[in-house]
Amino acid sequence: GENVEQHPSTLSVQEGDSAVIKCTYSDSASNYFPWYKQELGKRPQLIIDIRSNVGEKKDQRIAVTLNKTAKHFSLHITETQPEDSAVYFCAARNTGKLIFGQGTTLQVKP
Amino acid sequence: EAGVTQFPSHSVIEKGQTVTLRCDPISGHDNLYWYRRVMGKEIKFLLHFVKESKQDESGMPNNRFLAERTGGTYSTLKVQPAELEDSGVYFCASSQVIGRAAGVGEKLFFGSGTQLSVL
Repeated sequence: GENVEQHPSTLSVQEGDSAVIKCTYSDSASNYFPWYKQELGKRPQLIIDIRSNVGEKKDQRIAVTLNKTAKHFSLHITETQPEDSAVYFCAARNTGKLIFGQGTTLQVKP
Repeated sequence: EAGVTQFPSHSVIEKGQTVTLRCDPISGHDNLYWYRRVMGKEIKFLLHFVKESKQDESGMPNNRFLAERTGGTYSTLKVQPAELEDSGVYFCASSQVIGRAAGVGEKLFFGSGTQLSVL
């Protein structure tokens, strides 16, 4: 089955800096890659997603890139703000279900 | 639009007891998923319903876990008897596939989770 690895597990940046979180997946049949943000005590929420026929997608300060050949995808957050502090999960869709990575705790220091 | 709701938000039980978690998906969502997150680890898939049918239950840990979705609306997840390693946050999520042929992905909406502590 699909396996998703996510790195780093924790990331601390200064406000205004960029943050990058990377994920790799194992099954080349996976075709949909969402990113979820979970703030403390709240539910995971979809922040951006990308399908396998697209290499890059951007939405304001966040962007996702996908390299199908290497089977990895990344989340990029620019001009980070304290409210970006949260746990971020990448996922890959395989046979109808999402398989998640281990999560990255992002701390943005003011 | 009401979101995915889960009940209870927290449950503390003793080893050997039974606990039933409930999930109400977004109205009209045929797909319902159960996931679990143990502290610091991934959100791990448990099972997937399409309406009232179990589409995929490959993630269910063992036969102490029983999920139902009678009538294709809300779902329950029962753990009987509970063990220490069952502790974690149990998430429910629902989705409605939108325009798959048009290349739009399946967006999953999560509930707030049930924090289960087995002592």
